[in-house]
Amino acid sequence: TQLLEQSPQFLSIQEGENLTVYCNSSSVFSSLQWYRQEPGEGPVLLVTVVTGGEVKKLKRLTFQFGDARKDSSLHITAAQPGDTGLYLCAGEVGDYKLSFGAGTTVTVRA
Amino acid sequence: DVKVTQSSRYLVKRTGEKVFLECVQDMDHENMFWYRQDPGLGLRLIYFSYDVKMKEKGDIPEGYSVSREKKERFSLILESASTNQTSMYLCASTLDGSFYGYTFGSGTRLTVV
Repeated sequence: TQLLEQSPQFLSIQEGENLTVYCNSSSVFSSLQWYRQEPGEGPVLLVTVVTGGEVKKLKRLTFQFGDARKDSSLHITAAQPGDTGLYLCAGEVGDYKLSFGAGTTVTVRA
Repeated sequence: DVKVTQSSRYLVKRTGEKVFLECVQDMDHENMFWYRQDPGLGLRLIYFSYDVKMKEKGDIPEGYSVSREKKERFSLILESASTNQTSMYLCASTLDGSFYGYTFGSGTRLTVV
């Protein structure tokens, strides 16, 4: 059983559309991170959110941490083919360890 | 930039072989981790290490062991490879806790036949 549940598992959209990926848990996290992984590569950190209700923006990507620090979302505005990849959320579970969700595969069609 | 280097991108091994996966980081990170990644299951922690000669079991340590003789190098060992160990293996390191994020290597795709 995953500590962090991501939805949807797969998302295919046209260039220019918006998308949202969700990461939910019944556990409270002191921090939550989002990574993007491209084929044949390891995940790369996009952002860390720490405070309940926090919103962080990274160009066209908006990350939100739930008020209760149990959930998070990633919203991409006007998606581009370069946004294609596997998006992973991860929560700190103590002693520098992270627990990862299963990921959302995003495909942006040109 | 921190670099985490995994020695092989692709490996094919036979059932029963002893397999060594090597990982080296170049930024003096204390903490290193080995994960395996399978479709639909995400990343699962195999072993981690906070310091030289220290190791801790993760969530799925069975069939694996690790070695950390030098700070920069963390090796994953499959004592007797089995087909259910076919997977993508990812090594990661972090400087000062998970808040700053992990730096991952590019992964080793291992196939056991």
